[in-house]
Amino acid sequence: GQNIDQPTEMTATEGAIVQINCTYQTSGFNGLFWYQQHAGEAPTFLSYNVLDGLEEKGRFSSFLSRSKGYSYLLLKELQMKDSASYLCAVVNAGKSTFGDGTTLTVKP
Amino acid sequence: DTAVSQTPKYLVTQMGNDKSIKCEQNLGHDTMYWYKQDSKKFLKIMFSYNNKELIINETVPNRFSPKSPDKAHLNLHINSLELGDSAVYFCASSQPQEKLFFGSGTQLSVL
Repeated sequence: GQNIDQPTEMTATEGAIVQINCTYQTSGFNGLFWYQQHAGEAPTFLSYNVLDGLEEKGRFSSFLSRSKGYSYLLLKELQMKDSASYLCAVVNAGKSTFGDGTTLTVKP
Repeated sequence: DTAVSQTPKYLVTQMGNDKSIKCEQNLGHDTMYWYKQDSKKFLKIMFSYNNKELIINETVPNRFSPKSPDKAHLNLHINSLELGDSAVYFCASSQPQEKLFFGSGTQLSVL
């Protein structure tokens, strides 16, 4: 079976750093994706990890530890436009299974 | 050019009706999907097609029937709509094991 956990909600201040965690227990693993979804819009790709370690992409970084079944998304220099849901998704055998998403609210 | 386009964007209908949602992708991807996002924002896979062949069929009522006339199109037909079918339906495409490109979604409201 697949079990993917993320915090439901987080709040942070503009300019700060926030870390969104994702833990997973899945029957197989071919990679982990992070997507961003603004209210009323479709999810869009942010980051991908298949090997352990940190992937950096501008203000966004994602980390993976396969042995611990753990990933996090790090958002630096938060902006108001970063208020959105962040979805962790594990890929196995061509299927992406999503966590419930973390709603991030950035306050001035 | 829109990479993954689905129509209609909004669909309001009565219980018991039959409706279809269309999806097209111009990315040359081999795999297309239908996802359902409920009111709690949980995104759940329904179907996946690879080169017109069904490869994933989750526990979806058989009132839902996907059809893929070619690898660029994946349509979703829903028979005998029920209140619980109200949700946002997203079409997506990808190459195998790669990132998903989503359509803009179809908000289905069953009254």
